[in-house]
Amino acid sequence: DQQVKQNSPSLSVQEGRISILNCDYTNSMFDYFLWYKKYPAEGPTFLISISSIKDKNEDGRFTVFLNKSAKHLSLHIVPSQPGDSAVYFCAASATMNYGGSQGNLIFGKGTKLSVKP
Amino acid sequence: DAGVTQSPTHLIKTRGQQVTLRCSPKSGHDTVSWYQQALGQGPQFIFQYYEEEERQRGNFPDRFSGHQFPNYSSELNVNALLLGDSALYLCASSLYRGVTDTQYFGPGTRLTVL
Repeated sequence: DQQVKQNSPSLSVQEGRISILNCDYTNSMFDYFLWYKKYPAEGPTFLISISSIKDKNEDGRFTVFLNKSAKHLSLHIVPSQPGDSAVYFCAASATMNYGGSQGNLIFGKGTKLSVKP
Repeated sequence: DAGVTQSPTHLIKTRGQQVTLRCSPKSGHDTVSWYQQALGQGPQFIFQYYEEEERQRGNFPDRFSGHQFPNYSSELNVNALLLGDSALYLCASSLYRGVTDTQYFGPGTRLTVL
């Protein structure tokens, strides 16, 4: 049973346009969400996170939106750049289960983003 | 400031053998988590170590064991290797008591079991 789902295996976007990556989750205990980016032959790199007490968090070109009622989050990248081409993973944690720390992260399968010049 | 380092980079073993993977956390971090990433999948949590003890464990058999040393570095041991253990093994370090303290990942060790 997959608790974190990224239903789009791939996404292709033109340089300068908006990239929207989506993620759905099923476990209502999740209260902390993260996005990681992964290039080939490298480990995942943290991008941005959001707590369940917020519905939006912004960091430069990256914005994460959380819709708790729909159990859905999305990552917006504006404007998209060729260097953003990578696999993006959504991850979630039920921090209350781990005394307030992140504990183990549950990852989706990833979405491969290709930004074309 | 060195990030998370892992060794070796690549490893080839045969079924039934045992393997040890190593991880050094980012400077200042006290917690190490291990993940397995199979091809086409997201990372899957194996276990987490803090204060030299296993604090959390994912759905992995006892063939997977670990250790954390006083300098916070960690080892992942896998016994009786199966073909299905072929994967990228990722180590992540963090601070134990910080929700917002990010888990930083190393580059991983690619294990191939023949």
